[in-house]
Amino acid sequence: DAGVTQSPTHLIKTRGQQVTLRCSPKSGHDTVSWYQQALGQGPQFIFQYYEEEERQRGNFPDRFSGHQFPNYSSELNVNALLLGDSALYLCASSLRSPGNTIYFGEGSWLTVV
Amino acid sequence: AQSVTQLDSQVPVFEEAPVELRCNYSSSVSVYLFWYVQYPNQGLQLLLKYLSGSTLVESINGFEAEFNKSQTSFHLRKPSVHISDTAEYFCAVSESSGYALNFGKGTSLLVTP
Repeated sequence: DAGVTQSPTHLIKTRGQQVTLRCSPKSGHDTVSWYQQALGQGPQFIFQYYEEEERQRGNFPDRFSGHQFPNYSSELNVNALLLGDSALYLCASSLRSPGNTIYFGEGSWLTVV
Repeated sequence: AQSVTQLDSQVPVFEEAPVELRCNYSSSVSVYLFWYVQYPNQGLQLLLKYLSGSTLVESINGFEAEFNKSQTSFHLRKPSVHISDTAEYFCAVSESSGYALNFGKGTSLLVTP
């Protein structure tokens, strides 16, 4: 059983560019969340998608947007990249019920130069 | 809103010694509590969680954590650590009615022979 898979694993972008990160949830999971983990910090919640809609959002600007597809996979888009957006972006999946175990992917390392 | 404080950024310990990683949280609502582990260059893995019931929860690899409501703590313990326990450990909290995880900054556990 494949867990949460993310792509790409590493990428380098230039300030001002746009980036799209992709995530496939664990089999059977219908809820996908995205987290940003800066170096030496704990992950920060960006947003969560369920039934193709954004259901909850953390304290991130509108430059961060997402999408969930009918097969539950998801994309994270970041526009107008800043140097401070350099981080590990983690996708997490679960069944939609509070307290259910949340499974994380290995992340996409984004470096903005 | 909730917040999580992990009181130690680094904990060095000798192999086979006991260890305690401290976590305190603040919240005005009922919460669920989690410990995640992150090995180098990997995503987060759930170690254990407290939802309700017995305040002492255990993981399959010998870790345990105790929920103390009066002290708002959820410290992680292991009576005898192994080299392979070397990793970053994150305490997290979520509202019992919500889905977003709010993480601490992490504690780096370094086990040496």
